[in-house]
Amino acid sequence: NAGVTQTPKFRVLKTGQSMTLLCAQDMNHEYMYWYRQDPGMGLRLIHYSVGEGTTAKGEVPDGYNVSRLKKQNFLLGLESAAPSQTSVYFCASSPTHRGYGYTFGSGTRLTVV
Amino acid sequence: GQQLNQSPQSMFIQEGEDVSMNCTSSSIFNTWLWYKQDPGEGPVLLIALYKAGELTSNGRLTAQFGITRKDSFLNISASIPSDVGIYFCAGQNQGGSEKLVFGKGTKLTVNP
Repeated sequence: NAGVTQTPKFRVLKTGQSMTLLCAQDMNHEYMYWYRQDPGMGLRLIHYSVGEGTTAKGEVPDGYNVSRLKKQNFLLGLESAAPSQTSVYFCASSPTHRGYGYTFGSGTRLTVV
Repeated sequence: GQQLNQSPQSMFIQEGEDVSMNCTSSSIFNTWLWYKQDPGEGPVLLIALYKAGELTSNGRLTAQFGITRKDSFLNISASIPSDVGIYFCAGQNQGGSEKLVFGKGTKLTVNP
């Protein structure tokens, strides 16, 4: 009954360091998404995937890369972290493109100093 | 791209009061969704609307899909302290983009 699990929950990075955020879902969903949430900005889509082995850019993709090698996992990478990437990152999944809504993880709070 | 205007940005109310918030779009959506985000958690789906004019309730929450398909409304009756959080609207077109478009959220504070 896990749903969408994000790891880690918190992380502090120094400028220029790299890291990978992991999103895992156990609902056999085809679609997965990475969002960032900043105060007053709502949720902005970074990258998304419509199935295993596929990825696509969202609204704010610069500075991030993603991979979907397995259907249940969607990884978000920061190659060279910048202070502007300080944010709360949410992963979501959905079964189809139809409007059933997304299931979100509980988020990763990332601070880049 | 499509944008959603959600208002108000924040609300401060007394316990027991009713709450109304809305979302408007410059373009048509086939589906409207309302989410709630508790502090420190991810958004959770509250209500989904699939037809213009549809009125759907979930406990003390009632949402409506606007007739023009360009807006949606969420009402919360008799607010309680656990209603605190950020409420997001989201629109989706089934025949086009596969992605949800989110509003910027309404932050609700309930004073006991």
